[in-house]
Amino acid sequence: DVKVTQSSRYLVKRTGEKVFLECVQDMDHENMFWYRQDPGLGLRLIYFSYDVKMKEKGDIPEGYSVSREKKERFSLILESASTNQTSMYLCASSHRDQPQHFGDGTRLSIL
Amino acid sequence: GQQVMQIPQYQHVQEGEDFTTYCNSSTTLSNIQWYKQRPGGHPVFLIQLVKSGEVKKQKRLTFQFGEAKKNSSLHITATQTTDVGTYFCAGWSSGTYKYIFGTGTRLKVLA
Repeated sequence: DVKVTQSSRYLVKRTGEKVFLECVQDMDHENMFWYRQDPGLGLRLIYFSYDVKMKEKGDIPEGYSVSREKKERFSLILESASTNQTSMYLCASSHRDQPQHFGDGTRLSIL
Repeated sequence: GQQVMQIPQYQHVQEGEDFTTYCNSSTTLSNIQWYKQRPGGHPVFLIQLVKSGEVKKQKRLTFQFGEAKKNSSLHITATQTTDVGTYFCAGWSSGTYKYIFGTGTRLKVLA
């Protein structure tokens, strides 16, 4: 069974800090995704990667960057955290156009 | 931009009643995938439809993919309290290799 592991379930950081959210998948999937989910707003795509070192901006990339140095790992970086980035962050992976497998999510609070 | 809208946004039903959510895309999709997210959980894949006009069943759930591959529906017969959650459709946009999530329908089932 596919396993997508996010490094933290809950995280509290301060405004202005640089924040790293890590995601690891164990199924050799080409695609990896970062979403944020806020009440009433569904899932919004931040960034998407279809291969090592490749990335595509999603719908809301501002204030975020990503890194994919190895196929199994996709990192989301908040360059200078702000309170409006308090949210649930979900990582997912997929093989080509097949269904996505999600991690348990990281609930991030920026104080 | 490319969008996938779902209606209704919310639905409350009495246990035993039927439920339908509709998914409408602004662009043709190469496939459509349905996910269920339980409260406090992450989206979990339910089913994938690929062919125009395809219909698939999973016990009390019936999924359809429209002839033009721009819309889809999920119908639940005789809802149970275990059906509570948010249902999302999602798919790959034909030709642009962009994955789009629907806005979601939140279902509450009253016992």
